Amino acid sequence: AQKVTQAQTEISVVEKEDVTLDCVYETRDTTYYLFWYKQPPSGELVFLIRRNSFDEQNEISGRYSWNFQKSTSSFNFTITASQVVDSAVYFCALSDSHGSGNTGKLIFGQGTTLQVKP
Amino acid sequence: KAGVTQTPRYLIKTRGQQVTLSCSPISGHRSVSWYQQTPGQGLQFLFEYFSETQRNKGNFPGRFSGRQFSNSRSEMNVSTLELGDSALYLCASSLDLAPYNEQFFGPGTRLTVL
Repeated sequence: AQKVTQAQTEISVVEKEDVTLDCVYETRDTTYYLFWYKQPPSGELVFLIRRNSFDEQNEISGRYSWNFQKSTSSFNFTITASQVVDSAVYFCALSDSHGSGNTGKLIFGQGTTLQVKP
Repeated sequence: KAGVTQTPRYLIKTRGQQVTLSCSPISGHRSVSWYQQTPGQGLQFLFEYFSETQRNKGNFPGRFSGRQFSNSRSEMNVSTLELGDSALYLCASSLDLAPYNEQFFGPGTRLTVL
């Protein structure tokens, strides 16, 4: 079964602190894709990153970094030197073919609400 | 390039009524998906369309339906509204139907059922 778990419901940090958002996934497929999306108060989901199951290389983009570990089925997201503008809900998501051929269906985690205080 | 647009942005309906939500994908995108977001259930997949055909459907009752037009625009319909249908309905578009595609989301339609 496909499942994404974000155990942290809410995180509150003070500006400039580093924060890591956890994501654990389950899938039977060997080929799958993992995503992180940000949802600011406006409601629109904003794409942050995509990772495929064959590429375990960590990625850094500015203050954002992602750690993908297949051995633990985790795809964690770290924000370095957090800023107030990072306050949002962050979603981890999984996409695979689950035997149904091509599909763009995303399985989302419950989301982590990040509050960055000045 | 214009993003995904959804209309209306806000809707208030009463139980038993029906509602139609509209989504215009990014130009050139041929796949459209719909998601329901509620505080209790989170983000749940409703259905996805490609080439005017429903390709995949989530675990929702038959009251939820949708369609896609030849210009890739999509509509979803909810009949016999229930209080539990109150949610943010998000539409997403992508180039085509594949699990590796980035999904571009619209701002959503917030439906309140009284």
